[in-house]
Amino acid sequence: AQSVAQPEDQVNVAEGNPLTVKCTYSVSGNPYLFWYVQYPNRGLQFLLKYITGDNLVKGSYGFEAEFNKSQTSFHLKKPSALVSDSALYFCAVRGSYGGYQKVTFGIGTKLQVIP
Amino acid sequence: GAVVSQHPSRVICKSGTSVKIECRSLDFQATTMFWYRQFPKKSLMLMATSNEGSKATYEQGVEKDKFLINHASLTLSTLTVTSAHPEDSSFYICSAQTGMDGQPQHFGDGTRLSIL
Repeated sequence: AQSVAQPEDQVNVAEGNPLTVKCTYSVSGNPYLFWYVQYPNRGLQFLLKYITGDNLVKGSYGFEAEFNKSQTSFHLKKPSALVSDSALYFCAVRGSYGGYQKVTFGIGTKLQVIP
Repeated sequence: GAVVSQHPSRVICKSGTSVKIECRSLDFQATTMFWYRQFPKKSLMLMATSNEGSKATYEQGVEKDKFLINHASLTLSTLTVTSAHPEDSSFYICSAQTGMDGQPQHFGDGTRLSIL
């Protein structure tokens, strides 16, 4: 069974400081990894994904994530946080075997950027 | 690109009413659509997966007769909450995905359902 852990319920960071939202995963075979962001009363917006290739993946709004196979992690990062980055962030994983593979989402981490 | 439209955004109705929620992929063909329910403590629960032209696959514990899903075309899936009761009040979100391997799901903006 595959799983995703987002160990922090909430992350607080000062505006302008770097931010990290943590994610670890468990899956059979090679993973497909995703980050999504959700603003209040909205659906999830896709930020970035790792499928294969470079471990550092760049996505929307200046976000990036680093795939670490040995630590089974896919932490979301941004060099300089904005107040508008305050939202709920979801990490997701699925296996890369052929055929349909269900995506498993983490429980979400609330990011609060303090002015 | 990859826009998913979900309608309505909010529904308030009396207990016993059936409610239909539509999910449309506007600029791509969605081989697969998903329906989620999001609870107040943030977790996203997959209710069912639907492929165009076939019956939906429901997750364990989700009542098929309660939550009717139809995926009649590559751009439209509907979720009907039949005879809704207050415990069905929740935030329902759909997503759509192309058939290409490794592609992300694209989400609608959700429907806030409130049953009085």
